[in-house]
Amino acid sequence: GESVGLHLPTLSVQEGDNSIINCAYSNSASDYFIWYKQESGKGPQFIIDIRSNMDKRQGQRVTVLLNKTVKHLSLQIAATQPGDSAVYFCAETPDNYGQNFVFGPGTRLSVLP
Amino acid sequence: GAGVSQTPSNKVTEKGKYVELRCDPISGHTALYWYRQSLGQGPEFLIYFQGTGAADDSGLPNDRFFAVRPEGSVSTLKIQRTERGDSAVYLCASSPQGANTDTQYFGPGTRLTVL
Repeated sequence: GESVGLHLPTLSVQEGDNSIINCAYSNSASDYFIWYKQESGKGPQFIIDIRSNMDKRQGQRVTVLLNKTVKHLSLQIAATQPGDSAVYFCAETPDNYGQNFVFGPGTRLSVLP
Repeated sequence: GAGVSQTPSNKVTEKGKYVELRCDPISGHTALYWYRQSLGQGPEFLIYFQGTGAADDSGLPNDRFFAVRPEGSVSTLKIQRTERGDSAVYLCASSPQGANTDTQYFGPGTRLTVL
């Protein structure tokens, strides 16, 4: 069935280093993918998205890579900062209209001073 | 401008009681979503409104859960005969039109604890 999961539940990186957070999905019909950041006590916050017709998309300090062959998604954060410490979720949907997003369980990113 | 707001921020209730959770979406957003997030897990889709109507309620776990959005703005999630397993953070999100490329803006959630 549809599932979205993450390879690592926790990730610790040194401040200034690059971070890579991975996500695997099982639904080959998934068309749209989003990365969210969730800080303690807050709702998820949109970071970046990518459609299935793209392999890579860049934002400010963040890059999302999509490998449809192996159904793998990654989020790269450049020059990780203390403010990046949070739980990161990938979410996907196969639908054309915005219901029923499936979220992964999340990866906790800890930035070490 | 104001984001999505949810009230109450915390709700403690006893097993078997009825609870209502409220969501105020961003003004003008036609799409509204409810999710449930258990500790250490990602949000789990419950229901999606397009305007006043529930376009997809396939995520509601059983008939104890019900949601309304009578005027296409504020939404209320209602849980009858609460069970301890209902304890979670209930998140609401809204988006401008509900297209899957619309950004969903999340509220801070309501933490429900069923004793």
